[in-house]
Amino acid sequence: DAGITQSPRHKVTETGTPVTLRCHQTENHRYMYWYRQDPGHGLRLIHYSYGVKDTDKGEVSDGYSVSRSKTEDFLLTLESATSSQTSVYFCAIAEVYNEQFFGPGTRLTVL
Amino acid sequence: AQSVTQPDIHITVSEGASLELRCNYSYGATPYLFWYVQSPGQGLQLLLKYFSGDTLVQGIKGFEAEFKRSQSSFNLRKPSVHWSDAAEYFCAVGAISSNTGKLIFGQGTTLQVKP
Repeated sequence: DAGITQSPRHKVTETGTPVTLRCHQTENHRYMYWYRQDPGHGLRLIHYSYGVKDTDKGEVSDGYSVSRSKTEDFLLTLESATSSQTSVYFCAIAEVYNEQFFGPGTRLTVL
Repeated sequence: AQSVTQPDIHITVSEGASLELRCNYSYGATPYLFWYVQSPGQGLQLLLKYFSGDTLVQGIKGFEAEFKRSQSSFNLRKPSVHWSDAAEYFCAVGAISSNTGKLIFGQGTTLQVKP
């Protein structure tokens, strides 16, 4: 299995609070991705990174920001969580032209 | 617009029966294609992938998929389903010309296996 972990695995928070999710890899892969998974929508890309300090938006980036200061860590921040951001969040890593390896996911509930 | 469609949201098959999950894509560039499986509460695991060459690809757990460019399809098949195959299956497509490695995922097909 690819060395990819996510923390926390579960989180319950209140509307308006900031939340940071962490993705950590030990594979030294260049590309990292954050997705959210919601019923009926499959996986939708939030943000991705193609190198340290190099990030770009995905299809559902509003309300989210990311940072990558080291190859191994990719942080997803919800500056002010809303109930619509209740979801399961997956991190993935890849080398280009190859499959993405997924982390175990973080279940986030915003009350 | 680029898209991936999995026409069947839910499929139920009997254990031992054959399985085919459909995937159609709309993509302007030369695609590479994947099938992933997700068990409840787990992350996604790669079943198989197609980049080029033989259009029939073999994957793990006895799955195979056939790339048909003329039909823009990449259907997943298994000759005999096992109860442990019950899961959600996702088709995904990326562009060989891309320098981002981004994939577009279908909505998923949930497979239920009857004993």
